[in-house]
Amino acid sequence: EVQLLESGGDWEQPGGSLRLSCVASGFTFKNFAMNWVRQAPGKGLEWVSFISDSGHWASYADSVEGRFSISRDNSKNTLYLQMNSLRGEDTAVYFCARNGALDHWGQGTLVTVSS
Amino acid sequence: DVVMTQSPLSLPVTLGQPASISCRSSQSLVYSDGNTYLNWFQQRPGQSPRRLIYKVSNRDSGVPDRFSGSGSGTDFTLKISRVEAEDVGVYYCMQDTHWPRTFGQGTKLQIK
Repeated sequence: EVQLLESGGDWEQPGGSLRLSCVASGFTFKNFAMNWVRQAPGKGLEWVSFISDSGHWASYADSVEGRFSISRDNSKNTLYLQMNSLRGEDTAVYFCARNGALDHWGQGTLVTVSS
Repeated sequence: DVVMTQSPLSLPVTLGQPASISCRSSQSLVYSDGNTYLNWFQQRPGQSPRRLIYKVSNRDSGVPDRFSGSGSGTDFTLKISRVEAEDVGVYYCMQDTHWPRTFGQGTKLQIK
């Protein structure tokens, strides 16, 4: 069974940093591209970032370009999202999702950015 | 960016009746390989999203056959043949033909 477990969500002040993790199990992690998607409270889904299976290629939404960095460690079956220069509008539940077409999702981790 | 526009945004439906959600894209979603990368997701209250349909009309494993997807180019539809209580939630379309990936605003399905 495919499982994705996010962690690292927390409260942080504007301008601060957080690193999210997503541990994968139940499939061969190194063979799949991965994504981060977020959902602000009471709002819809927003794609954040994508990383290729090898980790050699990534893409970002304009709203996070230059502030967030996606990475992965295939030896640890783990996906990361380094979030810097956090803003209030980054407050959201962050989901990791497998593959280009988001065929499996984790349960999400809540990031709150507030002073 | 490709704008995905869903309608209606709110969909009250009587149990056992059909339901239909439209999703229109601002550009064609046909990729250079000939495939159309349009997906549908369901998000039940308090849960993570779940993919229902990929590449316009392919149902994911475990998705009831009362769900169907259709369309082409820029115009797509998700249909539920007979709505059940467990179908309550928000439905999103999403394209993964173009960068950045974009979602529709979501359609909230509720029981009348």
